[in-house]
Amino acid sequence: GAVVSQHPSWVICKSGTSVKIECRSLDFQATTMFWYRQFPKQSLMLMATSNEGSKATYEQGVEKDKFLINHASLTLSTLTVTSAHPEDSSFYICSASGAWGGHGHEKLFFGSGTQLSVL
Amino acid sequence: LAKTTQPISMDSYEGQEVNITCSHNNIATNDYITWYQQFPSQGPRFIIQGYKTKVTNEVASLFIPADRKSSTLSLPRVSLSDTAVYYCLVGQNQAGTALIFGKGTTLSVSS
Repeated sequence: GAVVSQHPSWVICKSGTSVKIECRSLDFQATTMFWYRQFPKQSLMLMATSNEGSKATYEQGVEKDKFLINHASLTLSTLTVTSAHPEDSSFYICSASGAWGGHGHEKLFFGSGTQLSVL
Repeated sequence: LAKTTQPISMDSYEGQEVNITCSHNNIATNDYITWYQQFPSQGPRFIIQGYKTKVTNEVASLFIPADRKSSTLSLPRVSLSDTAVYYCLVGQNQAGTALIFGKGTTLSVSS
């Protein structure tokens, strides 16, 4: 199956610093990548949709200046949490859209997630 | 995007068959039904996807009635390692289309 690599798997930072999370599709080209966040015991919440070479589309309520998304190539998207604060502590998950087995419809493949803890 | 409804939680014992049903009454003609599994502190993992009737792979079966307003994920002979959250998602799965997650079903398997 397709592999999406996400790094780092966990990060601890001080309040006010910025943190970058990388998401790579290892064996397929991902025209579109998605970023989710998940709080404990809750479901995944879509933050933004990232298309290669264009600006990301953010969901309502997600601050685009705080969560900077760059999708410079078909295999790499990054999420930068700027000036992080304790309330930004969460589990961030990326996913990439790719064809599966030539069946004609696509599936989402997910990274392993990044646990961000802001002190 | 079609909204889905699943039981919040289910309990089972090792070796039993577990069936998790998902309701999606306003599913669109072009929508597929996809199930994901998520363990704590991990990203969701694809289990199975279908459009209609029955789909089976090495880990699960997916039953979809003719009206497609519901679907049932069947896990044969569960083990402790199947304890996880299971999400039913409905969407077109086309490039550029995100999947919206509902609350999911927490399956707890005991020995």
